[in-house]
Amino acid sequence: QKEVEQDPGPLSVPEGAIVSLNCTYSNSAFQYFMWYRQYSRKGPELLMYTYSSGNKEDGRFTAQVDKSSKYISLFIRDSQPSDSATYLCAPRNFNKFYFGSGTKLNVKP
Amino acid sequence: DVKVTQSSRYLVKRTGEKVFLECVQDMDHENMFWYRQDPGLGLRLIYFSYDVKMKEKGDIPEGYSVSREKKERFSLILESASTNQTSMYLCASQKSGTTYNEQFFGPGTRLTVL
Repeated sequence: QKEVEQDPGPLSVPEGAIVSLNCTYSNSAFQYFMWYRQYSRKGPELLMYTYSSGNKEDGRFTAQVDKSSKYISLFIRDSQPSDSATYLCAPRNFNKFYFGSGTKLNVKP
Repeated sequence: DVKVTQSSRYLVKRTGEKVFLECVQDMDHENMFWYRQDPGLGLRLIYFSYDVKMKEKGDIPEGYSVSREKKERFSLILESASTNQTSMYLCASQKSGTTYNEQFFGPGTRLTVL
């Protein structure tokens, strides 16, 4: 069993849609939960992170962690074509990150 | 701004060649990492280093070695390249000793082994 499972997509939505990206994980020791965004032909960049369970909001983005069900979500409101990228969830244990395989998102104008 | 640079964006090598991938970071980070990224498999950790001359195996170290002679530079070496090492290689750096410590990535090197 992989440490982190992520819906592979690809996901194609119209501009303005609400997007939900999800991961599940197996290791209950994870404390930090990161979301990275990777544009085509670029390295991943940190989008946002949460610590332990709960929600964190940053503009149009909301990260949610439910440790009881080991479920991680990223919501994007009012999605824009510039949000088109691959999104990787990455729970962390000490200095080691466990990356999901990524969900490719395409937001159509 | 943290900057992580990688020596090449694209590289084409022949089977059996020795390949060097270089990574340099300019923020005095202690930790550095090498990943490979393949479709459907995500990022897989090859090797990492917590300090100069120190290295630790990641999840898929077979066929690779690393070198860290200076704090800012972390090299990945393919001793004898094979076609199954065709991949995107990503280097990352990270500051240690803080509660929250993001990994900063370079732009990647797309390696093709023929």
